[in-house]
Amino acid sequence: NAGVTQTPKFRILKIGQSMTLQCTQDMNHNYMYWYRQDPGMGLKLIYYSVGAGITDKGEVPNGYNVSRSTTEDFPLRLELAAPSQTSVYFCAVRDWEQPQHFGDGTRLSIL
Amino acid sequence: DAKTTQPPSMDCAEGRAANLPCNHSTISGNEYVYWYRQIHSQGPQYIIHGLKNNETNEMASLIITEDRKSSTLILPHATLRDTAVYYCIVKSEAAGNKLTFGGGTRVLVKP
Repeated sequence: NAGVTQTPKFRILKIGQSMTLQCTQDMNHNYMYWYRQDPGMGLKLIYYSVGAGITDKGEVPNGYNVSRSTTEDFPLRLELAAPSQTSVYFCAVRDWEQPQHFGDGTRLSIL
Repeated sequence: DAKTTQPPSMDCAEGRAANLPCNHSTISGNEYVYWYRQIHSQGPQYIIHGLKNNETNEMASLIITEDRKSSTLILPHATLRDTAVYYCIVKSEAAGNKLTFGGGTRVLVKP
């Protein structure tokens, strides 16, 4: 999706490793979100941010951390990877009273 | 946020209109109805949203009943590329605007 870039697209981690999923936007939108999607399921909200310096927990925040030091970037960090965190991770952005726009996702496997 | 109920799956013939129902009987006055779709594990794609009035854009039409307890997404001329999972979500514009994804309707467009 134009405007929302997620890296990497694919990653395999070993149990206990850590990594950061990157999300960058050039749309200058205040709101940013991280979701995860397990196979055959809908998306679940992990964390969200309403602006630089402000973050809040979503439905499934355990095992994750986020930061929002700039408008453009909203990285998601896994400190101690567990098999239960194998999923597809989507970042989304939006402006006030506008729909959310999603990135293409990061497919993460933890073995 | 109000919950939604959608049929788990439906088939549609290519070139015909696809009518996707959604029940949201507990919707409150300030909640919008949003529709997204997800094609083969790509990031969800925004389709359309509305509050009270029917809406139409280049992708689809949204018909909301007068009591707002249900709605129908209409894809006027379904193509094979419309095969996807379609999510109906009700959401207020309150701070955060978090989307809650249910199971959606898996639509298969057949030639």
